[in-house]
Amino acid sequence: QVQLQESGPGLVKPSGTLSLTCAVSGDSVTNNNWWSWVRQPPGKGLEWIGEIYHSGGTNYNPSLKSRVTISLDKSKNRFSLEVSSVTAADTSVYYCARRSYNNGWLDYWGQGTLVTVSS
Amino acid sequence: EIVMTQSPATLSVSPGERVTLSCRASQSISSNLAWYQQKPGQAPSLLIYDASTRATGIPARFSGSGSGTEFTLTINRLQAEDFALYYCQQYNNWPPWTFGQGTKVEFK
Repeated sequence: QVQLQESGPGLVKPSGTLSLTCAVSGDSVTNNNWWSWVRQPPGKGLEWIGEIYHSGGTNYNPSLKSRVTISLDKSKNRFSLEVSSVTAADTSVYYCARRSYNNGWLDYWGQGTLVTVSS
Repeated sequence: EIVMTQSPATLSVSPGERVTLSCRASQSISSNLAWYQQKPGQAPSLLIYDASTRATGIPARFSGSGSGTEFTLTINRLQAEDFALYYCQQYNNWPPWTFGQGTKVEFK
């Protein structure tokens, strides 16, 4: 059974950098999948942030591209998200998820972690 | 960017009823559409992909239809565990993948 688990600080100061990690079990980040991040502001809808492939190739949401970096740690079977220059608008539940290579849908999701941007 | 619009925002229904949720794309996305269910405090979970194919383990009371710009998710004989938020997502044009704003199915 594929499982994903987000971890990271729940509180980040404005203008700082949000950093999260997603640990993967039941699958390998070196397999033929894209590893994605999606966020959801409190009480609002879903926003796709970006994704990374085992080769290191990435796709980012153009609206966030200048502030987002997604990276892969094959030795620890996990991937990470960094969002720089955060503001209160970045306060969200952040989910990691898996997308099979040739598919467009997200078939496995982590439980999500709330990150609040506040001083 | 393709904009996905879901309607209605909220549906008030009773158990046992049939429910129809709509999702419209701002341009044609062929059948490249998925539906997700999200319960309070939980992550979204995949219901339907390719507009009409049920994901593994999804009951037959859930069905999807449509192509191009108009899509529908139908839930037959609504059960208590089906009260949730439902999102559509297009994967025809990227980046970015885009989601609708959601439809809440609530108890009447």
